[in-house]
Amino acid sequence: DAGITQSPRHKVTETGTPVTLRCHQTENHRYMYWYRQDPGHGLRLIHYSYGVKDTDKGEVSDGYSVSRSKTEDFLLTLESATSSQTSVYFCAISEGSGSRSYEQYFGPGTRLTVT
Amino acid sequence: SQQGEEDPQALSIQEGENATMNCSYKTSINNLQWYRQNSGRGLVHLILIRSNEREKHSGRLRVTLDTSKKSSSLLITASRAADTASYFCATDSPNFGNEKLTFGTGTRLTIIP
Repeated sequence: DAGITQSPRHKVTETGTPVTLRCHQTENHRYMYWYRQDPGHGLRLIHYSYGVKDTDKGEVSDGYSVSRSKTEDFLLTLESATSSQTSVYFCAISEGSGSRSYEQYFGPGTRLTVT
Repeated sequence: SQQGEEDPQALSIQEGENATMNCSYKTSINNLQWYRQNSGRGLVHLILIRSNEREKHSGRLRVTLDTSKKSSSLLITASRAADTASYFCATDSPNFGNEKLTFGTGTRLTIIP
């Protein structure tokens, strides 16, 4: 999976609890992304980062926050998890320069269940 | 809302046959990409076609792009059991930059041995 790891890979949590998912890359790529994947919706962008401390919202950002304090790490936080946030979460990276700048490389995913 | 929509939603064919999937999108693009997702795994990039290209090949994959119809097709020739997966198109937007992609809902392809 192109030097991208996600942790945890599986998590079950209760409604109202905070949850943080971590994405770690070893490729030194500029862009990092968080998506959620739900049946019938494909992949939807939550937030993305275009550099350290530089982030922007995606299509479904409500209820989520992100942080990127180092090039290699991109954290996704659910401040107070809700059942509607039960999903599979994917991290992705892209170079942002060069011939393959727009291709995205995906991590293995985190399956989050909110009960 | 989704920029890309794949058609059909599901497709089953015999091994050795060709598989064709289509993607339609709504607004202007710079690039269109196709990705594959095996069950329980992350997406894998297959091919990128630029808006000024009409056709592109990579191994058994052939992608076409018709910007006037805002549509693309992915052809997999001589299918194999290992091609069983979901396939997604993804588009960028001149308004939001090449780094942001919008994915369709995917076509689930099943190759019958």
